[in-house]
Order: sequence, then C-alpha cells, then structure tokens
Amino acid sequence: AQKVTQAQTEISVVEKEDVTLDCVYETRDTTYYLFWYKQPPSGELVFLIRRNSFDEQNEISGRYSWNFQKSTSSFNFTITASQVVDSAVYFCALSASGGSYIPTFGRGTSLIVHP
Amino acid sequence: DTAVSQTPKYLVTQMGNDKSIKCEQNLGHDTMYWYKQDSKKFLKIMFSYNNKELIINETVPNRFSPKSPDKAHLNLHINSLELGDSAVYFCASSQSFTTGALRGYTFGSGTRLTVV
Repeated sequence: AQKVTQAQTEISVVEKEDVTLDCVYETRDTTYYLFWYKQPPSGELVFLIRRNSFDEQNEISGRYSWNFQKSTSSFNFTITASQVVDSAVYFCALSASGGSYIPTFGRGTSLIVHP
Repeated sequence: DTAVSQTPKYLVTQMGNDKSIKCEQNLGHDTMYWYKQDSKKFLKIMFSYNNKELIINETVPNRFSPKSPDKAHLNLHINSLELGDSAVYFCASSQSFTTGALRGYTFGSGTRLTVV
C-alpha cells in the first residue's frame, strides 16, 4: 500500500518569510513518482513539479525549491520570500506500480501568507 | 483557451435529483479522469477513461455513471443525489494513462456540487 502524509494541516506566515511544506511518503516500490500540486482559492488544481525515484537532485524554480530525500522518504517543498499569491492548499502525491499508478494524494497543507 | 474545462462551475440541487457534469479537454490527450474532493480536501479518483474505454472504476456507488462520447469528453452523471455527494468534482486529463502516472495531470477548475 502506498501512503502520503502531509502532517501540517495549516501554516500561517507573514509575507517574505520562507516556509517549508513537508511531505512524507510510503511505498514498497523502488520506482515511483512524486508530485506537488497547488490549489489556490479559486479552486483549480495546478501541477507544480514531478520527481522520479531515481533522481534525487533538488530542484529550484524561482522562489520554489524541492528537497527529495529517499533516506527519509520525504519530498519537501520550500517557498522562499513568500508572497500573498502563494496562499493556497498544496498537495503532495505519489504514484507507483504498487498502486496501479493511480496517484495517492496527501491531505494537503493550507498555506496562508499574510501581508 | 482553457485546456480542461468543466461545466457547470457550481451546482446546487435537491436530494433525489439527477444531474450531470460535463468535461472537455482540447489537449489531444487520450486519458481522462474524474476525481472527488471532499469537504476535508481529500482527493480520490473515481473513474478513468482511455480513448473512450473505462480503465479505472474505483469503489463508487453505481448512482455515478461516467460517459465518454469521444476521447475529448468525459461526462459524469449522478442519479438520486444524496447529501453525501456534496463535494468538488475535478476532471483531469493526461496524454496517456502512463504519462499521467509519470508526469502528472492537467486538471479542470472543478465543479462544486451542493446537495440540499
């Protein structure tokens, strides 16, 4: 069975603070894929990033960065110098053959950035 | 142009009614999905179609019936609506089922269904 845990239900920060959203996953597969999606207040789900299990390189995209660590089964997401527009619910997801490649989503972390 | 579009965006209806949600994608993708997001934001897959064929049918009451007239459209019909059906329903698509699993989906903006 596969599982994704986002222990932080809600995080509240003030603009320009850095914030890290945690994601811990469980799978028995050696090949798997991890994702982050953003759901802003308008409601749509936006794909942010994908990482496969063989690529542990961290990735940076502007103010966003992702830290993938197989040793701790974590795929954390950091927003540097947060902005009000970053306010959203962020979902981590995992797909692997053990789950028939149907993505399992975490429960989401609601990020509120105050001006 | 919206890549994956769902209509309506909001739907309020009484218990016992039958309603449909429509989804269309203009990405040329072969695979489409319906996801349900409950009041606690939990996302769970309901159905998936690949080239008009049903490939995933999770444990969903048979009051829910998906229909795919062509690979660009996947509609969701719900009979005898119940209070517990209130949720946000997301349509999504991917180039193929494998691509979706490996690269992620393109989601629609969601349909908020409220059953009163």
